[in-house]
Amino acid sequence: DAKTTQPPSMDCAEGRAANLPCNHSTISGNEYVYWYRQIHSQGPQYIIHGLKNNETNEMASLIITEDRKSSTLILPHATLRDTAVYYCITAGSNYKLTFGKGTLLTVNP
Amino acid sequence: NAGVTQTPKFQVLKTGQSMTLQCAQDMNHEYMSWYRQDPGMGLRLIHYSVGAGITDQGEVPNGYNVSRSTTEDFPLRLLSAAPSQTSVYFCASSSSLAGGYYNEQFFGPGTRLTVL
Repeated sequence: DAKTTQPPSMDCAEGRAANLPCNHSTISGNEYVYWYRQIHSQGPQYIIHGLKNNETNEMASLIITEDRKSSTLILPHATLRDTAVYYCITAGSNYKLTFGKGTLLTVNP
Repeated sequence: NAGVTQTPKFQVLKTGQSMTLQCAQDMNHEYMSWYRQDPGMGLRLIHYSVGAGITDQGEVPNGYNVSRSTTEDFPLRLLSAAPSQTSVYFCASSSSLAGGYYNEQFFGPGTRLTVL
């Protein structure tokens, strides 16, 4: 699986959009980009995934660059409950997820 | 649906003891996996299974055994506990999509294990 690079921490004001970047320059053509988050010490929670096109669901939007070497997770209106560690993962069809250290997003009041 | 359940929530073992961490899911998912998370680190894959009777090793399999006799259950066995196995253990499950890609993974609440 390709490796990803994320900033270790970011801050965001409550109510503002949180934009979390991820570099995955060695991603293979058949690998998806997945985003998960982990609130405190709970089990990780799936957020969104995509292959080539931008994706949106009720939680977030995922913007993938045309060359697929990077992506951005967007939380449109961050709340205090969005404070968590966010993991960007690339994975193909081998059923394995490789978690890095992720980005600690702190949403401030 | 209860989702993914794990028992126990907490466990303290002495070095050399053995035990089994239980994981069950009621979503009829083909894929199940075990991860461990050490303090300040991301999750690392221990073992995984793509269906009943099929298991394979992940990134850190040493010291652990698994079996998958039913779709619902995927227990993780610690053969002889060591302090290095002190960690939080998460079980996850998912269904597969067409073409072999897996869908979102659902994680359990975790088991916090301390080995003295």
